[in-house]
Amino acid sequence: DGGITQSPKYLFRKEGQNVTLSCEQNLNHDAMYWYRQDPGQGLRLIYYSQIVNDFQKGDIAEGYSVSREKKESFPLTVTSAQKNPTAFYLCASSIREGYGYTFGSGTRLTVV
Amino acid sequence: GQSLEQPSEVTAVEGAIVQINCTYQTSGFYGLSWYQQHDGGAPTFLSYNALDGLEETGRFSSFLSRSDSYGYLLLQELQMKDSASYFCALPSGAGSYQLTFGKGTKLSVIP
Repeated sequence: DGGITQSPKYLFRKEGQNVTLSCEQNLNHDAMYWYRQDPGQGLRLIYYSQIVNDFQKGDIAEGYSVSREKKESFPLTVTSAQKNPTAFYLCASSIREGYGYTFGSGTRLTVV
Repeated sequence: GQSLEQPSEVTAVEGAIVQINCTYQTSGFYGLSWYQQHDGGAPTFLSYNALDGLEETGRFSSFLSRSDSYGYLLLQELQMKDSASYFCALPSGAGSYQLTFGKGTKLSVIP
C-alpha cells in the first residue's frame, strides 16, 4: 500500500542538539511538506518542496533545515537554533497544488 | 495574508447532525478543503469545494459560499468514532502547493 512513513514516532533530545526527522513516501507525489502542530495552534508550514533539489521556506522556517535529494524522501532537521522545538511534526505529500494532502503519522519531538 | 476562523469546540449527540463552520479571508480563492484528525493521529483529507454549493461524500457533506467567504462541514448520523478535530484549509495562492489551515474544531460526540 502506498503512503508516507515518518520515523521515529517519538523522539527525545537534549536541548542544544540537532535532530533529523525522517519522511519517506511511495506515492510518486512530486510535492512534499513539513508542518508543525502545537495544541490549539492548528498546522503551520515549515518547509515545502515541489521538485527534487528544490525547496521553499514556509511560515515558520527559522531553526529548521531540509533536503530533497530524492523524490521519495524529505528529511527535516531541527537545529539548536529553534527556540521551542517540542511539538508534533507532520510530513505530507500531494500530487497537485493545494489539494488532497496525504499525511504521515507524525513524529512527536520532546526536547528536555 | 490569509486567515481562517473555526469554532474551537463543538459537542453533539450520537445519531444527530452537526455543522462545523469556517469563515475565511483571502485575496484570491482557489478552493476550500476539509481534514479530519483523531487525537494523536494524522490528518486525513475529507472533501474539497472549488465552486459554490454542496459536495456530498457519504455521511459527510461540505458546503461553500464564495460570496460570503464561508463554508461548512456537515456530519450526519453521528457516530462515536467521529469524535476528532476538523480543519478547514485554503491554498495560499493560484497554483500554490501550500495550504493554510484553520486552528481546528474539536468535535465531541456524546451518547
